[in-house]
Amino acid sequence: GAGVSQSPSNKVTEKGKDVELRCDPISGHTALYWYRQSLGQGLEFLIYFQGNSAPDKSGLPSDRFSAERTGGSVSTLTIQRTQQEDSAVYLCASSLVAAPYNEQFFGPGTRLTVL
Amino acid sequence: DQQVKQNSPSLSVQEGRISILNCDYTNSMFDYFLWYKKYPAEGPTFLISISSIKDKNEDGRFTVFLNKSAKHLSLHIVPSQPGDSAVYFCAASPRFISSGSARQLTFGSGTQLTVLP
Repeated sequence: GAGVSQSPSNKVTEKGKDVELRCDPISGHTALYWYRQSLGQGLEFLIYFQGNSAPDKSGLPSDRFSAERTGGSVSTLTIQRTQQEDSAVYLCASSLVAAPYNEQFFGPGTRLTVL
Repeated sequence: DQQVKQNSPSLSVQEGRISILNCDYTNSMFDYFLWYKKYPAEGPTFLISISSIKDKNEDGRFTVFLNKSAKHLSLHIVPSQPGDSAVYFCAASPRFISSGSARQLTFGSGTQLTVLP
C-alpha cells in the first residue's frame, strides 16, 4: 500500500511570502505529526493531530505557523510571512495510536528554502 | 537544551565489522526508545525499538541496548554491510499518559554511518 506522501518535494520562496505544505498520511492512520529538520539538527516536533481531538500545537515555533487536518486525513502546514530561519526539511509522519508504543511512518519531506 | 543527544556526527566502519551507535538522554520521563534510519532524499524509516522495561532488544543484525541508570542506549549492527550506510536517528517518547496525549518523538541530531566495502 501507499506510504506517507508529501508535496511539493522542494519549495523555494522569497522572504515574506506564505507557503503551504501538504501531507497525505497512510490510509487508516489516525495520528499525524509534523516535524522539521534544520541543517545539522535532529527532527523537531511541530504539531500533532489525533482523530477529532484538538491538535497538540506545543511545538510550533511561532504564530506564523499553523496546520489543519481536513476530514481526519490530509493535512496542510502553512507558514505565513516566511523567514530565512524557516528553511528546513519539513517531515510528516502518521501512525496507528492503539499500540502501547508509537512507530511513526514518515514521508519523504518537503525541502523549504527561503531566500 | 537537547534532551536526546547523539554526540558522534559520523562513524566509519569496515564491512563485516560491528557498528556501534550511541545515544544519551536526559529526560527521566522517556520510557520508549526508537532508532530510525534515513537515506538521502527519503524520510526516516523505523528500525528497532526498546521499552524501558527491557535492557536489550534484538532483530536480526540489529540489537539495541538500554542502560536506564546511565540514560544511555546504543545500536549495534553486526555484521555491517555497505547498504547500512545512512543517517541513524535515536528517538525517545514519554510515558503514555492518556489517550489524548501526544506521543511526540524527541530526536537526536543523527549519526552518519558509512560502511566501507
